[in-house]
Amino acid sequence: EPEVTQTPSHQVTQMGQEVILRCVPISNHLYFYWYRQILGQKVEFLVSFYNNEISEKSEIFDDQFSVERPDGSNFTLKIRSTKLEDSAMYFCASSERAYNSPLHFGNGTRLTVT
Amino acid sequence: AQTVTQSQPEMSVQEAETVTLSCTYDTSESDYYLFWYKQPPSRQMILVIRQEAYKQQNATENRFSVNFQKAAKSFSLKISDSQLGDAAMYFCAYRSATGANSKLTFGKGITLSVRP
Repeated sequence: EPEVTQTPSHQVTQMGQEVILRCVPISNHLYFYWYRQILGQKVEFLVSFYNNEISEKSEIFDDQFSVERPDGSNFTLKIRSTKLEDSAMYFCASSERAYNSPLHFGNGTRLTVT
Repeated sequence: AQTVTQSQPEMSVQEAETVTLSCTYDTSESDYYLFWYKQPPSRQMILVIRQEAYKQQNATENRFSVNFQKAAKSFSLKISDSQLGDAAMYFCAYRSATGANSKLTFGKGITLSVRP
């Protein structure tokens, strides 16, 4: 069964550094998302992306965050200057259709900011 | 904005027994989709079951079934014949049927433990 893949599985970075989290969505999916989950807490929406544009973003997704689909397969989340509170699990998801299909999630990237 | 509420933070069930996890949501929309996701200790998010709001029939997937009460805005998950592998965090989620790219909105989740 096709999967969403995320790399790396764990990223450790120092406060103030830039990080790029990478995702390869399922190949025939057109709708892409990033979520984050602070340890043991709620899964929070960050951003949705379709047709090379951001469809929606949350309050969390401020100017420090950006997303890109640099080629036909990758979907990346960049955090320009990481803060301690950015430490979380980041999930990429993709969906075949705009609403009447489930989101398929990757295994996540655990980001630790020291 | 839509909200999803899971008021029970934890539940426990004896192996082979049945357990029901509660979820309520708030929306002004008439058409939408509801999901239950499972998150085991590996932290992966796994789709368990989904329900289309326009369908009156409750969805079932093997040992998993839902009780969807649209008027009450309630969407509970029933796990029958509970197994040790069912121990996980379970998230209820809502997806609007309008808009160009509809996100999932999650509840806070419930931690289910299964006693052998």
